[in-house]
Amino acid sequence: EAQVTQNPRYLITVTGKKLTVTCSQNMNHEYMSWYRQDPGLGLRQIYYSMNVEVTDKGDVPEGYKVSRKEKRNFPLILESPSPNQTSLYFCASSLVYRGPGHEQYFGPGTRLTVT
Amino acid sequence: AQKVTQAQTEISVVEKEDVTLDCVYETRDTTYYLFWYKQPPSGELVFLIRRNSFDEQNEISGRYSWNFQKSTSSFNFTITASQVVDSAVYFCALSEGSGGGADGLTFGKGTHLIIQP
Repeated sequence: EAQVTQNPRYLITVTGKKLTVTCSQNMNHEYMSWYRQDPGLGLRQIYYSMNVEVTDKGDVPEGYKVSRKEKRNFPLILESPSPNQTSLYFCASSLVYRGPGHEQYFGPGTRLTVT
Repeated sequence: AQKVTQAQTEISVVEKEDVTLDCVYETRDTTYYLFWYKQPPSGELVFLIRRNSFDEQNEISGRYSWNFQKSTSSFNFTITASQVVDSAVYFCALSEGSGGGADGLTFGKGTHLIIQP
């Protein structure tokens, strides 16, 4: 089954304790992306990756890091989480080629609470 | 810069009523893509439709229909004969460029649709 998986689905942590949210897709998609969703703000892009070893900032990258060492995985790293990073996080992937736009396939979401 | 506006924060209707969710977008590109996603209470994002800027034909899928009008930069979504299962947050999104996914999605803030039995 084609899917994007995220782990963990729920996480409660404390300020300053490094954490990683994993994202994996099995569709051989080049493009992967992270979004955060906050009430009243919709979804905003954090980072994206066009392919292995190619990453770039989205609209709200502060406080986050990413890596793309393998095509299927795109982990989101919070080196020193703060309460303002409490949010619902979505990973997404899609094909990339110069042609009609592709839909992005979203993971199930990770609800993160930083106390 | 691209922007998506969903002016309706919350809509509440009684079951079987028709309801239209508005979406207005801004972009300087001539090639762009518009999307609608549904987020039910369970939280996942469900893809509903993709439309490219060169195709202004309206689309109907069962009780769902979409009205794309470039003249008013709008991509509205209508649910006919609404049902309680339609209760969700609905997001309109925009992607610029000829490689739609590569440019990321700009989302509106969402419309919370409540269908009362």
